Amino acid sequence: DTAVSQTPKYLVTQMGNDKSIKCEQNLGHDTMYWYKQDSKKFLKIMFSYNNKELIINETVPNRFSPKSPDKAHLNLHINSLELGDSAVYFCASSRVLDYGYTFGSGTRLTVV
Amino acid sequence: GQNIDQPTEMTATEGAIVQINCTYQTSGFNGLFWYQQHAGEAPTFLSYNVLDGLEEKGRFSSFLSRSKGYSYLLLKELQMKDSASYLCAVGLNRLAFGKGNQVVVIP
Repeated sequence: DTAVSQTPKYLVTQMGNDKSIKCEQNLGHDTMYWYKQDSKKFLKIMFSYNNKELIINETVPNRFSPKSPDKAHLNLHINSLELGDSAVYFCASSRVLDYGYTFGSGTRLTVV
Repeated sequence: GQNIDQPTEMTATEGAIVQINCTYQTSGFNGLFWYQQHAGEAPTFLSYNVLDGLEEKGRFSSFLSRSKGYSYLLLKELQMKDSASYLCAVGLNRLAFGKGNQVVVIP
């Protein structure tokens, strides 16, 4: 199946821990994104990569570090997790900027 | 800066028509997108407007006025499966989303 797949789907962890979320797309898209959706359902961009190069870093704390080993993968590592990091994180990809986004199914992160 | 505004929730009966509005003030514009998001799922693409006017796609239509910074999504012949959040987004070399409008369809 052609898709954007992200793992894990659910992640429950304690404050202060470090965790990673992985994302892979097999659509041949050049651009990948991480979005955060908070409890009020507001979907906000965090990062965007084009062909492994960072092109958008939207004032995200530096505890969040994206890594793109190749254009099909964009992983998100989070250090020293805080309660406010609890949210659903969506990975997405597109062939061109803006148009034709495909979203992954989301990772629900709960920090306790 | 950017500001994308949508009302938060509405309820409608099956078979009815609902209109969901979106106003935006952004520095830049590469098109206006509408996405549907069911609870616990990823957003899925519904429509795209880059020129003024109405785009029709089956039961869903979307309208854009660039001079007014305004768009609406029209859902006709509502079905129970249309209960979802509807998100408008402006293309700014990334999609900048509004807060979404929750539509609840009742029998």
